[in-house]
Amino acid sequence: AQTVTQSQPEMSVQEAETVTLSCTYDTSENNYYLFWYKQPPSRQMILVIRQEAYKQQNATENRFSVNFQKAAKSFSLKISDSQLGDTAMYFCAFTANAGGTSYGKLTFGQGTILTVHP
Amino acid sequence: GAGVSQTPSNKVTEKGKYVELRCDPISGHTALYWYRQSLGQGPEFLIYFQGTGAADDSGLPNDRFFAVRPEGSVSTLKIQRTERGDSAVYLCASSLSITDTQYFGPGTRLTVL
Repeated sequence: AQTVTQSQPEMSVQEAETVTLSCTYDTSENNYYLFWYKQPPSRQMILVIRQEAYKQQNATENRFSVNFQKAAKSFSLKISDSQLGDTAMYFCAFTANAGGTSYGKLTFGQGTILTVHP
Repeated sequence: GAGVSQTPSNKVTEKGKYVELRCDPISGHTALYWYRQSLGQGPEFLIYFQGTGAADDSGLPNDRFFAVRPEGSVSTLKIQRTERGDSAVYLCASSLSITDTQYFGPGTRLTVL
């Protein structure tokens, strides 16, 4: 079974600073995808960034980047130049590629509440 | 374009009643997923559809839960004989295919009194 662990229940950061959210996962699959989703109080789950396991290069989306360490099964999210609008719950999620035993469905971590202070 | 929509946004019902939750996916998305999110937790997978058929329903907690997608577009999650433990936010997501990114709707908050 796949598991995703986020060990930081809460984090806080000052506006314009950088913060890193941690995520580790466990799987026997070789082909899979990893995601970070953001869920503000409005409840809407919004994709932040996506990483394919077969790609060695870390994904980047504007102020958001990941540090993907496949051997260590670690997938952390770095938010640069934090903004007040980044305040939300952040979820790390995993899905196996088609052909694996758990393709299709996402397995989520417990989430990290991020608060950006002015 | 329009995103995933879910109705109702909130549903309050009494223990033992039957409820239906609706999901309207992004047009053209063949895969549709249902998740349940309890307060302060990450979403948990319930079921997903590839077209009209349920490809994986291993997350449905018991036989009181059932979902359909008769025409391969809109899906309905049905809960019979609701219990207080069913109270949660029910999220729907859709994707072009099972290997593509899932896009989520705003969820339905179900409260069972």
